[in-house]
Amino acid sequence: DAGITQSPRYKITETGRQVTLMCHQTWSHSYMFWYRQDLGHGLRLIYYSAAADITDKGEVPDGYVVSRSKTENFPLTLESATRSQTSVYFCASRRTGFSLPSDEQYFGPGTRLTVT
Amino acid sequence: DQQVKQNSPSLSVQEGRISILNCDYTNSMFDYFLWYKKYPAEGPTFLISISSIKDKNEDGRFTVFLNKSAKHLSLHIVPSQPGDSAVYFCAAVLLDSNYQLIWGAGTKLIIKP
Repeated sequence: DAGITQSPRYKITETGRQVTLMCHQTWSHSYMFWYRQDLGHGLRLIYYSAAADITDKGEVPDGYVVSRSKTENFPLTLESATRSQTSVYFCASRRTGFSLPSDEQYFGPGTRLTVT
Repeated sequence: DQQVKQNSPSLSVQEGRISILNCDYTNSMFDYFLWYKKYPAEGPTFLISISSIKDKNEDGRFTVFLNKSAKHLSLHIVPSQPGDSAVYFCAAVLLDSNYQLIWGAGTKLIIKP
């Protein structure tokens, strides 16, 4: 299917486990992003990528690792999950650099992660 | 310290009336402001944006107003429809920050029939 997809949609894991959240987009967008959304907060940027093999930290990168070997995929790995990483994770993509008003980020449906 | 604040967690409006969602910010250097809409179990979708050099932008039923002196923006929806029931996020961006969006916490809009 065309668009941006995330898998799994729901995940329960234990403290200390490694878990990877997948993100795939079919538009060949250059930019991809990972956010987390917690109650009382807006979306907070974890990592972003401007192109394949180019990644950079966002506001809350600690405890997360990303890679981008292919333009269409941007997996997010929690190396050793903690309860504070229980959240809803959103992946997004954007076509190119910033050029409003046409610029916008397209979001996936989210992954709800629970760390017990 | 939150740079973008949406102080109303929820808002209830009668169908057909005007919905006004508010957003305050602290950084006068923001270049653009955006509004996103989010339904349950879906990702946010872009709604409307405004440049910091403008004071109004309109798109159909949606109008965003920017008051730079007050560091305040608002989203007006007229007339409100049941499909407008969603969470609305305000976001701001600095163009020299690698396009990072700074998000408010969101306001849940409920349109009553």
